[in-house]
Amino acid sequence: EVQLVESGGGLVQPGRSLRLSCAASGFTFDDHAMHWVRQPPGKGLEWVSGISWNSGDIGYADSVKGRFTISRDNAKNSLYLQMNSLRDEDTALYYCVRKDIVTGYYDYWGQGTLVTVSS
Amino acid sequence: SYVLTQPPSVSVAPGKTARITCGGNNIGSKSVHWYQQKPGQAPVVVIYYDSDRPSGIPERFSGSNSGNTATLTISRVEAGDEADYYCQVWHSSSDHPLFGGGTKLTVL
Repeated sequence: EVQLVESGGGLVQPGRSLRLSCAASGFTFDDHAMHWVRQPPGKGLEWVSGISWNSGDIGYADSVKGRFTISRDNAKNSLYLQMNSLRDEDTALYYCVRKDIVTGYYDYWGQGTLVTVSS
Repeated sequence: SYVLTQPPSVSVAPGKTARITCGGNNIGSKSVHWYQQKPGQAPVVVIYYDSDRPSGIPERFSGSNSGNTATLTISRVEAGDEADYYCQVWHSSSDHPLFGGGTKLTVL
């Protein structure tokens, strides 16, 4: 069974940092690109960042470029998101998401970890 | 920049047909995926590649895509279909995914 379990969320002050982790199991992790998608409370989905299977291709939304860094450790079946210089508008539920190899849609989602940026 | 436009809400009576649109410039040239998100749950894909259904998704869910509009159609709507629905494409110039703003489906 495919499982994606996020951790690392919490309450943080503006300007501070936080590191999210996603533990993957039930599939061959290094076969898949992995992404982070976030959802502010009561709002819609927003893509944050994505990384290819071998970390050779990385992308960021304009809203987080220069502040967030995505990475992965295939030996540990883990995905990470280092978030620096956090802003109020980064408050959201952050989902770890697997991208289907063939079709490109997001076929598995974690349950999310909540990040709240507030003073 | 490319924008996907969805109606904020759609209401339909049980047993009827719901149509949720996703508008974008020449969206017919792109592949559209549709996700269903029920309260407190993560999204689940219900349609991919415009009109394909993943295993486990009822045949009542179908999709189409042409011109400037993609459409998710839910036939014989049930109370359990009440959810938020999001369309998604891959923005060709940046290879980044883009989501529509979402549509709340209410079953009357």
